[in-house]
Amino acid sequence: DVKVTQSSRYLVKRTGEKVFLECVQDMDHENMFWYRQDPGLGLRLIYFSYDVKMKEKGDIPEGYSVSREKKERFSLILESASTNQTSMYLCASDNMPPTGKRGYTFGSGTRLTVV
Amino acid sequence: AQSVTQLDSQVPVFEEAPVELRCNYSSSVSVYLFWYVQYPNQGLQLLLKYLSGSTLVESINGFEAEFNKSQTSFHLRKPSVHISDTAEYFCAVSNNNNDMRFGAGTRLTVKP
Repeated sequence: DVKVTQSSRYLVKRTGEKVFLECVQDMDHENMFWYRQDPGLGLRLIYFSYDVKMKEKGDIPEGYSVSREKKERFSLILESASTNQTSMYLCASDNMPPTGKRGYTFGSGTRLTVV
Repeated sequence: AQSVTQLDSQVPVFEEAPVELRCNYSSSVSVYLFWYVQYPNQGLQLLLKYLSGSTLVESINGFEAEFNKSQTSFHLRKPSVHISDTAEYFCAVSNNNNDMRFGAGTRLTVKP
């Protein structure tokens, strides 16, 4: 069964800490995405990547960065965590081309609480 | 830019009743439309999708959605819901530019 695996289901971090959220997919997909999910706002795209060492900003990149050193791994980095980054973070992947046509495969999510 | 509006944030319904979750989209180009389901403490799973062809698409667990181009809608329906259908449902729109947009979600609660 193909998978997108997020390394942590729940995380609690302190304000100002550097936080790494890891995502690994075993489907040899080119495209990977990071979303945050908040009640009433749905999913908002933070960053995405179409290839190794490639990254593009989504709708809300401020306060975040990403790393894609290997095709199967896409990491989301909170440089200095703040309480307004408390959220559910979802990683997704997709094949290309054509992108967006098959629907994304999502990980189970990481619920991050910043205190 | 394209966008998705889910008209109901919460839909409570009794078991075995019919349900409709509404979704409207806006886009200036041809679109692909999706419904995803999120069970508690899980990620999103693809429920069904419309790419082209027949405007009525079905899932394996009894949901169906109809693409209505004139009304720019993609409502999700099920004639008889089960307790196990309790979840959050997300409508999404995409195009060939890989610009996938999600709605805010509809929480379906099925009561006994």
